[in-house]
Parts: sequence; C-alpha cells; structure tokens
Amino acid sequence: DAKTTQPPSMDCAEGRAANLPCNHSTISGNEYVYWYRQIHSQGPQYIIHGLKNNETNEMASLIITEDRKSSTLILPHATLRDTAVYYCIVRVVETSGSRLTFGEGTQLTVNP
Amino acid sequence: DGGITQSPKYLFRKEGQNVTLSCEQNLNHDAMYWYRQDPGQGLRLIYYSQIVNDFQKGDIAEGYSVSREKKESFPLTVTSAQKNPTAFYLCASIGRSNEKLFFGSGTQLSVL
Repeated sequence: DAKTTQPPSMDCAEGRAANLPCNHSTISGNEYVYWYRQIHSQGPQYIIHGLKNNETNEMASLIITEDRKSSTLILPHATLRDTAVYYCIVRVVETSGSRLTFGEGTQLTVNP
Repeated sequence: DGGITQSPKYLFRKEGQNVTLSCEQNLNHDAMYWYRQDPGQGLRLIYYSQIVNDFQKGDIAEGYSVSREKKESFPLTVTSAQKNPTAFYLCASIGRSNEKLFFGSGTQLSVL
C-alpha cells in the first residue's frame, strides 16, 4: 500500500496560513492524494484532492511536488474553527478495487 | 439530498452478543467502506466492497462480518469474537471516478 507520513501535530496563529505536509513516497502514477479533516467524534470532512497539478478550492490549496512523493495542504487564513485532525490519504487501486488507508493524521491547533 | 446514513448513533453490546451497524447510501456509489476509530487514533479499515455481493477484508477484519446484498446498503456485524469492540465506527462510500469519499456521521459502540 502507498503509505502516508504526516507530523503528529502543528500549531498555527489565527489569520496566518497553515501549511500541512505529507509524504507519500511510494505513490503510483494513477493514485490520487486526498485530504480530509476530522473534528472530534464526527465523520471526516472532505477538503481537496489531486493527481499531479496543484489544486485550489474554497477551503484550501493543494501543492503536489513534481515527483509526486509529497504534498502540502495550505489553509490560507486559518481560523479557530480549523482546529482539527487533518488526514492525507492515497487512494490505492488494487485488482479488487480501490481502498483508502488513513494514517495517523496531523492535529492542527489554531491559536488566537 | 444525497448522503450516507448510519444508525444507530449510539449502540451498547452485552458480552457474547452480536450487533449490527447499519449503513445506507443514496449516492449511487459502487464502493463502500467500514472504518474503526479508537480514541486519539486514526481510522483503520475493517472491510470494503466494490460491487454488490462482493467484499474484501481490510486491515482489521477479525471479529467482524459484512454483507452487500444491495448497492445502497453495507451493514457491519460486530460478532462476539471481537473482544474489544468499543470504538467509533464510520461508514464511507465513493463513486467509480475520482470523486470525494463521503462519510456517515458514525456509530459509537460501547460494551455493557
């Protein structure tokens, strides 16, 4: 399986950009990178996903390196409500279908 | 509105009892997943299914069983063989193309 590695925790000041890194060095050419976040005891919330090109939506930007071995999720202006656990996931395609394996995630704490 | 519905929200199991967690989706998604989450931990894959009448074991399938008789439904049974069932259980689904993985709101299972 393509595994992901994320720092266990990060802090960010309110109003500043939060940059969350993820390593996925064993990713294959057709595997997408997904980012989700989870606030305590709720279902994870979709943020963004991408294959090769950088992506941006109303929530965040996703920067994927040219070799695709790592990516960075950027929350441009973090707010206190962005405090959550952020998961970087690679969608692994197998003969039996695709599976999504979550790592331990990064606990982002936005401080006032 | 389309989405995933998990029920019940809270469930209690007695020793030696089998319990079934419900997961229904009206998104016309082919693939469905069950994850287990322990306090302060990431999500671990229990079972997943790509099509009706077919499913595969995930990373922690022992003590669990599933069925996929209908595209919309993917119930999870926590059997008496699962000795440590207390956890938060999440169901998810995704379409054929690279779409978002949708999550239900989860079921908290506790042992009496």
